[in-house]
Amino acid sequence: NAGVTQTPKFQVLKTGQSMTLQCAQDMNHEYMSWYRQDPGMGLRLIHYSVGAGITDQGEVPNGYNVSRSTTEDFPLRLLSAAPSQTSVYFCASSYQGGPNTGELFFGEGSRLTVL
Amino acid sequence: GEDVEQSLFLSVREGDSSVINCTYTDSSSTYLYWYKQEPGAGLQLLTYIFSNMDMKQDQRLTVLLNKKDKHLSLRIADTQTGDSAIYFCAESTHNDMRFGAGTRLTVKP
Repeated sequence: NAGVTQTPKFQVLKTGQSMTLQCAQDMNHEYMSWYRQDPGMGLRLIHYSVGAGITDQGEVPNGYNVSRSTTEDFPLRLLSAAPSQTSVYFCASSYQGGPNTGELFFGEGSRLTVL
Repeated sequence: GEDVEQSLFLSVREGDSSVINCTYTDSSSTYLYWYKQEPGAGLQLLTYIFSNMDMKQDQRLTVLLNKKDKHLSLRIADTQTGDSAIYFCAESTHNDMRFGAGTRLTVKP
C-alpha cells in the first residue's frame, strides 16, 4: 500500500509565487489534514477535512487554501508565498472520526523554501 | 491555545533506559500519543494511551499517564542506537491533534 503520498518532496519558491502541495491517500480515510513543522515548535495544524466537500481551519490557516473534491486528495495551496512559509509540510489522514478515534498516518513531508 | 510541552534533547548510552516526559494542558484530551520521526521521514505512531488509563506496556515501551498532573512519559527499556530519533508527544480532542515540539533522543554506543 502506498499510504499517504505527498508531492513534491522539495520546492524552492520566490516571494509572491503560488504553488500547490499535493496529498493523496489510498486507505479510504475520511479525515485528512495538513501540518507544518518548524524547529522547536512541533507540528501545527493548518487545515483539515472530515470528508469530501468539507474543510475547516486549523491553528495557522492564513496564507493557505485547501479543497477536498474527492476522498483521496487534499491539496494545499499557497496563494502568495512568503518567507515565513518556509517550513516542512506534512499531510496526514485517519479513519473516519478524525484523530480523536485513533492513529494519524503521515506522508513523508514536503520541504518548502521561500526566498 | 492549549500547549503540549516536552524537553528538546535527551542523550543516553546504549543499553540504558530512556525516559521522555511531556506535559499537556487540555483536560478534555481523549487519547495521548507518542510518535517517532526518523530523519527525512514523516511521523509514525509508536504507542498511545486512552485518557482513562494509567499505564500501558508494549514490549520495550512503557507509557505512564498522570491525569491529575497532566503528565505523560515514555520509557524505552534497553535503548538501542536504532531508537535515535525525534519523539513527539501529542494529544487529540475531536478534530485536532496537538503536538509537542519533539524530543531528540541520541543514543551513544
